[in-house]
Amino acid sequence: DQQVKQNSPSLSVQEGRISILNCDYTNSMFDYFLWYKKYPAEGPTFLISISSIKDKNEDGRFTVFLNKSAKHLSLHIVPSQPGDSAVYFCAASTMDSNYQLIWGAGTKLIIKP
Amino acid sequence: EAGVAQSPRYKIIEKRQSVAFWCNPISGHATLYWYQQILGQGPKLLIQFQNNGVVDDSQLPKDRFSAERLKGVDSTLKIQPAKLEDSAVYLCASSDWGRDRKAEAFFGQGTRLTVV
Repeated sequence: DQQVKQNSPSLSVQEGRISILNCDYTNSMFDYFLWYKKYPAEGPTFLISISSIKDKNEDGRFTVFLNKSAKHLSLHIVPSQPGDSAVYFCAASTMDSNYQLIWGAGTKLIIKP
Repeated sequence: EAGVAQSPRYKIIEKRQSVAFWCNPISGHATLYWYQQILGQGPKLLIQFQNNGVVDDSQLPKDRFSAERLKGVDSTLKIQPAKLEDSAVYLCASSDWGRDRKAEAFFGQGTRLTVV
């Protein structure tokens, strides 16, 4: 049972345009969501997070939107840069699970020059 | 601030052999995680420690996998005997979850294990 789904294995975006990465979840008890970025041969690095009490969190070029009724969150990157090419993982957790993270399968983002 | 250190970076073993991975978390981080990441999938939690106690090991195949975190700092993950399906990247992560329940996890570079 995949509780966190990233349905797009890959996404290709022109440099300078907006990249939108999507994530769906099934467990309505999730109360904290995170996005991680992973380069080849490196471990994932934390990018941005959002609590379920919010619907938007912004950090520079990165904005995460949360739609609780649709059980959907998205990561927007504006403008996209070549260094953004990486695999992006969505993760979710619940307070009563000791904040154990449940991960999506990842979306490979390719920024074209 | 030094990051999470893992060794070795790569390991190739034959099936039925044993292997051990080592992790040194960020100084002061009470929570330590071991994840298994199979190609094309997201990380799967194997075990989570809070200091030197186990918080969750429900997905650890205990017939062949074992992990310990002595003195609440470094940790080792062992596989004995290894199977072909254990081929994956093993990621160690740490967080300051004990102080800030919403703290993100910081990952090491991982150990790529190939079982032949």
